[in-house]
This record gives sequence, C-alpha cells and structure tokens, in this order.
Amino acid sequence: DAGITQSPRHKVTETGTPVTLRCHQTENHRYMYWYRQDPGHGLRLIHYSYGVKDTDKGEVSDGYSVSRSKTEDFLLTLESATSSQTSVYFCAISLTSGSVTDTQYFGPGTRLTVL
Amino acid sequence: AQKITQTQPGMFVQEKEAVTLDCTYDTSDPSYGLFWYKQPSSGEMIFLIYQGSYDQQNATEGRYSLNFQKARKSANLVISASQLGDSAMYFCAMREGNQGYSTLTFGKGTMLLVSP
Repeated sequence: DAGITQSPRHKVTETGTPVTLRCHQTENHRYMYWYRQDPGHGLRLIHYSYGVKDTDKGEVSDGYSVSRSKTEDFLLTLESATSSQTSVYFCAISLTSGSVTDTQYFGPGTRLTVL
Repeated sequence: AQKITQTQPGMFVQEKEAVTLDCTYDTSDPSYGLFWYKQPSSGEMIFLIYQGSYDQQNATEGRYSLNFQKARKSANLVISASQLGDSAMYFCAMREGNQGYSTLTFGKGTMLLVSP
C-alpha cells in the first residue's frame, strides 16, 4: 500500500463547469502522475510532477492543468469540463528516483462523468 | 508507431492451466523498464512484475513470470496455475530513459477470463 488516496471517487458534473480532482499521498514521494483511462486506449499520461511546483505535460494534457504546492497533494483541474473528459482518472506515485527501474503505484481512481 | 502492443484483446483459460499474455515494445533507448499491471473489475491498478532491459534473468514473482526476449522486443507475462481471481484486465507498460523522470507508456490491455 503506497498510501495514495483520491477524492472524490465519483463525480458527475455538467459541461462547462470547473472540476478539481485531488490526489493525496502520505509518504513524501517526489514523483506524482495523473492518467486517464478510456476504453480501447489503456492509460494515458495527462501531467506529472517531479517536485513541489515542478510539473510537466504528458501525452493528453490539453484541457487540463495541475498544481503541486505541497509534496503530498497533486491537483488536477479541468477548467471547463467537456463530455470528452468523461473518463476514469488515476493518480500514481513513484517511490524513488523516477528512473526506468522505478515502479509506479496507483491510487484507487476517480470516475468522472461530464453531462 | 505504438510503443507497446498487446495483440490479444481477450484470452480464455481454464483454472489451473498456464496462460501467456503477449506484449511487444518499441524503443531505441538501451535503458528501459517493462512492467505488468492487473486491473480487476473493481478498478484498481495492481503492479505485478518488473523487468529491466539490462537484467540477465527473466523476472519472477510467485505465479507470475516474465518471458523477456530482448532481440524480439517482447515481454510476455506468464501466469502459471490460473485461478478464478486472475480474471482481470492486464496491461503491459514501458518506461524509457534514465533521466530522472521518465514516464510510463501503456498498452491497450488484454482481458483474461479464467473459467472453472
């Protein structure tokens, strides 16, 4: 158990509304990631963070922003939600250096529906 | 080109039998890591096994082993003595480079169904 929680676990919202998803970890891991999972696509990286205030874009970052003001929290924001952002969102952490040998561990996921 | 290819959308196996889930990858980086994750119907992503590109031996973790064929760029997951609880989606993933914050690329997954 890597001590990762995500909130909320389920959310239904309307098109055009802002949404913030929270990932919280209890073990001071430096590297954190946000993925989305859609049928037929596996998991795709949205954004990641390699330290407080240090973030970078992933494969599918359009329409998303992130913030990391504390080591333990990584926030994903949809500024104006669209139906194409209906998905399951996973947060992940790396335990050590973020190198190729480093395993990512995932949170329980957030199911977001945008109507 | 896809970096991770899982060609089997679904696989069926009988309980107690072994099953191999295929994964091929594409990279020009000499340093990379290969991972397998399991996602049961409850939705969580569970890490199963890891293989590094410089590892001389195939990785094993309990009933899971990774058949790593570097020249063929394949990293197949072998599950021995299948159990009903092995029914799940399985994802192969790769991490390239060694620059401090390389990221994971996932395949599209293989659904495994284990029957009694």
